[in-house]
Amino acid sequence: EPEVTQTPSHQVTQMGQEVILRCVPISNHLYFYWYRQILGQKVEFLVSFYNNEISEKSEIFDDQFSVERPDGSNFTLKIRSTKLEDSAMYFCANPSRGGYTFGSGTRLTVV
Amino acid sequence: GIQVEQSPPDLILQEGANSTLRCNFSDSVNNLQWFHQNPWGQLINLFYIPSGTKQNGRLSATTVATERYSLLYISSSQTTDSGVYFCAVVPGGFKTIFGAGTRLFVKA
Repeated sequence: EPEVTQTPSHQVTQMGQEVILRCVPISNHLYFYWYRQILGQKVEFLVSFYNNEISEKSEIFDDQFSVERPDGSNFTLKIRSTKLEDSAMYFCANPSRGGYTFGSGTRLTVV
Repeated sequence: GIQVEQSPPDLILQEGANSTLRCNFSDSVNNLQWFHQNPWGQLINLFYIPSGTKQNGRLSATTVATERYSLLYISSSQTTDSGVYFCAVVPGGFKTIFGAGTRLFVKA
């Protein structure tokens, strides 16, 4: 099965700091998604990205979040000024032949 | 929006036992997947099953799209099967909606 790679696997940051989470999708894929899972809760949709534009976003995805494709292959999720409640597991995903392939996740801890 | 309900919320099994996990959804879907979230938090794709039945080793899944439910069967459970099992659907477009999961613990 094709892989979606995320870095870092775990990041600890101080409240108010900016963080950038990175993802390398299945090669040449135009569709891309970010999801969030607060500890012990369900996985929630954040944003979908198609051909370098946001195609859909949830109410969670407010002005402190942004997504980019800085170099044509990697995707990033930026949180500008982290809050304690941003502590969660963040997943990126691509559609694939077998449904959706999710990355291994980045565990973000805001202290 | 679409509702995805999973049952039971928690399940404890003795190693070797069989179990059935259920996923009900409130509207038609284009895609349904079952995932296993391991203790490290990774989402492992088990089945892509918008309809019909599939088997992979000790696991099998059945989706009856017309009745809006899916079942995941685990036979001869092992301690490594422990974790959270999520049902996830795509009702339209491309956004995936997850259920709340079934937390499984298999005792040795």
